[in-house]
Amino acid sequence: DAGVIQSPRHEVTEMGQEVTLRCKPISGHDYLFWYRQTMMRGLELLIYFNNNVPIDDSGMPEDRFSAKMPNASFSTLKIQPSEPRDSAVYFCASSLAFGTGGLVFDQPQHFGDGTRLSIL
Amino acid sequence: ILNVEQSPQSLHVQEGDSTNFTCSFPSSNFYALHWYRWETAKSPEALFVMTLNGDEKKKGRISATLNTKEGYSYLYIKGSQPEDSATYLCASNRDDKIIFGKGTRLHILP
Repeated sequence: DAGVIQSPRHEVTEMGQEVTLRCKPISGHDYLFWYRQTMMRGLELLIYFNNNVPIDDSGMPEDRFSAKMPNASFSTLKIQPSEPRDSAVYFCASSLAFGTGGLVFDQPQHFGDGTRLSIL
Repeated sequence: ILNVEQSPQSLHVQEGDSTNFTCSFPSSNFYALHWYRWETAKSPEALFVMTLNGDEKKKGRISATLNTKEGYSYLYIKGSQPEDSATYLCASNRDDKIIFGKGTRLHILP
């Protein structure tokens, strides 16, 4: 089975440009997560979706960040306008439905290979 | 404890030796504890998900225990091998949040 697929693997762009990161979750997984990984803060959850609906976006750093999941097999994370401090590795992960249907993350998450983003 | 803390940050272990490290997390409103193995230039790979106090899980030479009352989990590696070199992340699910620790970076010395 194909795992979580992210694109692009690397993105270098200039400050002020719009950046779009893409993710295809594992087929049949109900949950999709976007994370940002930096040296200073480690791995941080930005937003997660359940059945294409955003559930918790409290980790999204500011209004310049937005995420969508138009269908069960595709999600985007957009940064507009981008800034140098957005440089990081962005991971997408997916998981099966949680056991008790709601708050319990009792299923393992499957991560994509990440997108390394550099904003100049 | 309000955050997820992992110790030590870094660890060097001789090949063949056994080792263990710790994940500390808030014990209130606890739901689940995850362990992931993260090799350089790859993505995190799930090892265990534990939910019950006293849970013990094992996968080959790697095992983990969970104490939800005091808020800690141990990861054990028996007879370390070079392929065990990686960063080991734990993540705590509390309420509707999942928070990762910064990991323990394990180096296996030949």
